[in-house]
Amino acid sequence: NAGVTQTPKFRILKIGQSMTLQCTQDMNHNYMYWYRQDPGMGLKLIYYSVGAGITDKGEVPNGYNVSRSTTEDFPLRLELAAPSQTSVYFCASSRFSGGGMNTEAFFGQGTRLTVV
Amino acid sequence: GQQVMQIPQYQHVQEGEDFTTYCNSSTTLSNIQWYKQRPGGHPVFLIQLVKSGEVKKQKRLTFQFGEAKKNSSLHITATQTTDVGTYFCAANAGNNRKLIWGLGTSLAVNP
Repeated sequence: NAGVTQTPKFRILKIGQSMTLQCTQDMNHNYMYWYRQDPGMGLKLIYYSVGAGITDKGEVPNGYNVSRSTTEDFPLRLELAAPSQTSVYFCASSRFSGGGMNTEAFFGQGTRLTVV
Repeated sequence: GQQVMQIPQYQHVQEGEDFTTYCNSSTTLSNIQWYKQRPGGHPVFLIQLVKSGEVKKQKRLTFQFGEAKKNSSLHITATQTTDVGTYFCAANAGNNRKLIWGLGTSLAVNP
């Protein structure tokens, strides 16, 4: 069982370049999330999705875009990369149960992105 | 928006000492989850508490959920160097269907 697979693990971008971070989960989770984590800091929610075709902004969505065409995939697109987007990016997934709460969140291994 | 406050932000202990991190909310929580992130790693789920006053143990780790379901704690007895990392709490509250995260407590352990 692969869980959450995130690629690439490392990437260096030049200012103004674009890229897509891939995220796939094989647990049939309805909820998926993208977080960024700056050094020594907590998790900041960029975007999340409650199911295929539905996405919503988190705390720090500017400079990013997402799509959720299938249950399994939730790619994150960076347009016009800026040094402020240097960070570690985590994709995660969970199931929202009928009890009004999320089950445990599974995280990908993370993508370490540097914008120079 | 809804927040979960986590304290302390950092804790430095000698190996063998105890450690506690706290999460507090001004609103009633539906649940509380705890995660551990090792340096350079990703958050890994430890446990979920759901019931008022619930206490769960995992070896040297004790997790508590307050009677009012507004606070929680993670206590580690006799820390070891393998306990090093950042501990996060996360919760659902009210109609908020996405997890709300605390900012984490970073634990350093001196051997």
